[in-house]
Amino acid sequence: GAVVSQHPSWVICKSGTSVKIECRSLDFQATTMFWYRQFPKQSLMLMATSNEGSKATYEQGVEKDKFLINHASLTLSTLTVTSAHPEDSSFYICSAGLGTQHFGDGTRLSIL
Amino acid sequence: QQQVKQSPQSLIVQKGGIPIINCAYENTAFDYFPWYQQFPGKGPALLIAIRPDVSEKKEGRFTISFNKSAKQFSLHIMDSQPGDSATYFCAASKGNGGATNKLIFGTGTLLAVQP
Repeated sequence: GAVVSQHPSWVICKSGTSVKIECRSLDFQATTMFWYRQFPKQSLMLMATSNEGSKATYEQGVEKDKFLINHASLTLSTLTVTSAHPEDSSFYICSAGLGTQHFGDGTRLSIL
Repeated sequence: QQQVKQSPQSLIVQKGGIPIINCAYENTAFDYFPWYQQFPGKGPALLIAIRPDVSEKKEGRFTISFNKSAKQFSLHIMDSQPGDSATYFCAASKGNGGATNKLIFGTGTLLAVQP
């Protein structure tokens, strides 16, 4: 139980485009989901807390207009990287859970 | 005060050895301490977790030792295997580990178990 699925697993796009990443809870409902960013050989850095039916809470230093989060249902949160640039290239991971947090398998974003 | 310090950064052991990874925290409000295992290109997977009311917890080959007074906890992997080669992260949170509570991650330890 408590499976978290992310899509896509890998995306490559040109600089200036916007990219949407989906995070789904497959067998449970999640009022809260978390979005993390992980650079190569580094730890997970929390970007924001996604709250169903309300605005996301962003961590200090994370641009909310750059990283748009929508949690429109109890099983889906989306992260949109707007006007992406090469420095936004990273591994994005979401988490949610019942009792404890479970992580998706991440999305590798490469901006050319 | 929100940081979780983890060491070592990398670790190499022989098959059958017992790697030990250490973490330390400052915030005494933390009350849930999980360990995650991450393989390249994958998300972290929960290995084992402990709460501060116990000093040790064992699940299979994985053991957490917890020292509340020193604000330290460690992961021991018994009879390590090459398949255990991965990056290990400790973490901490408040709120008794509920899924809606933020996790603060350590910096990670890259473990290599040589055959």
